[in-house]
Amino acid sequence: GNSVTQMEGPVTLSEEAFLTINCTYTATGYPSLFWYVQYPGEGLQLLLKATKADDKGSNKGFEATYRKETTSFHLEKGSVQVSDSAVYFCELERAGTALIFGKGTTLSVSS
Amino acid sequence: GAVVSQHPSWVICKSGTSVKIECRSLDFQATTMFWYRQFPKQSLMLMATSNEGSKATYEQGVEKDKFLINHASLTLSTLTVTSAHPEDSSFYICSARRAGYSPLHFGNGTRLTVT
Repeated sequence: GNSVTQMEGPVTLSEEAFLTINCTYTATGYPSLFWYVQYPGEGLQLLLKATKADDKGSNKGFEATYRKETTSFHLEKGSVQVSDSAVYFCELERAGTALIFGKGTTLSVSS
Repeated sequence: GAVVSQHPSWVICKSGTSVKIECRSLDFQATTMFWYRQFPKQSLMLMATSNEGSKATYEQGVEKDKFLINHASLTLSTLTVTSAHPEDSSFYICSARRAGYSPLHFGNGTRLTVT
């Protein structure tokens, strides 16, 4: 079946550090992959997405590449800021039906 | 940008009563709306998918007679927790999308506490 495995947090970094949040998936066919972010006190919002293999999604300095060979969609940012502190969710969708979220990774960035 | 309004943001009710949660897409027509439940430190668990004008599709293990979903228009879906019990206490979140793989837009969630 379809599933998403996301690294467990919390992830604690200093400002300007490099961030990687791992996300791997299992799915038949060709799912679309998304990262959502939930800032404190707010609802989830789309951060970036990729709909086919080798696509790179990017937004607000974050990037993730859809790698079919490793079934991964790791989230990266070269230099995190305090304002990036949030919970990040990896999500898989296939054929507009299966819609599966990872457990979420809490990122805490200190100055 | 697309806005989804969820109401109420929190509610406390007595065991045995029913609670209705509304999810509205304020500036777009949502062909599909989703309802989730989030347990502490857990991921979002999809409860059901609702398409305007048709019956909701429930995920395995979700009691459709307990969690009534109505998607009466392209801008409104409601989740009614019937005969609520303390174990129904949770954080409920809705999301909506225009069509296909367009991004999900989430409500801010509803904290339900059943006493």
